[in-house]
Amino acid sequence: TQLLEQSPQFLSIQEGENLTVYCNSSSVFSSLQWYRQEPGEGPVLLVTVVTGGEVKKLKRLTFQFGDARKDSSLHITAAQPGDTGLYLCAGAGGGSNYKLTFGKGTLLTVNP
Amino acid sequence: ETGVTQTPRHLVMGMTNKKSLKCEQHLGHNAMYWYKQSAKKPLELMFVYSLEERVENNSVPSRFSPECPNSSHLFLHLHTLQPEDSALYLCASSQDQGQGNEKLFFGSGTQLSVL
Repeated sequence: TQLLEQSPQFLSIQEGENLTVYCNSSSVFSSLQWYRQEPGEGPVLLVTVVTGGEVKKLKRLTFQFGDARKDSSLHITAAQPGDTGLYLCAGAGGGSNYKLTFGKGTLLTVNP
Repeated sequence: ETGVTQTPRHLVMGMTNKKSLKCEQHLGHNAMYWYKQSAKKPLELMFVYSLEERVENNSVPSRFSPECPNSSHLFLHLHTLQPEDSALYLCASSQDQGQGNEKLFFGSGTQLSVL
């Protein structure tokens, strides 16, 4: 069974602060996705990382896939209240294990 | 608007009731999914349909019965549920299925409470 551990579980910060959340596993993934889920809505895909060491930027969000493809991080610069939500990572297994495995998420609150 | 619509948004039912959740996707996708989201747990995959054929049934109790009449519609029929089945039920779709890295488009979910 492939497990994804996300940390921290909860994070509450002030507008303008920077933050990093983590997604770690002992398993290797062929790719990893990050979703954001706002209150009362379903998750929305933010990015997919595929190559070990890959870095992708989406405005103030920077996503990194670990060299060994076992972990990933999401860094937000100058957080805004609109960034509030549950951030989920999901890993795709390689070989015959094609299923997406989700982490429990990091619940981020950005206070104005 | 993700192109995936779920109804109802909220549902309260007794343990002896029978109800159905509905999902419709307007994206022309070939695969549809049911996920269960409970507090403090990862998203749990329940069922996967690809081209209207069920390709995954993740050891889900028989009190949950899916139906996929065509590639745009997915239902989850509920009967004799238990209080522990209370959760957010999410429908998702993807262009295709089978590689594991499909981009999922989720609906807003049905928040289900079983009394």
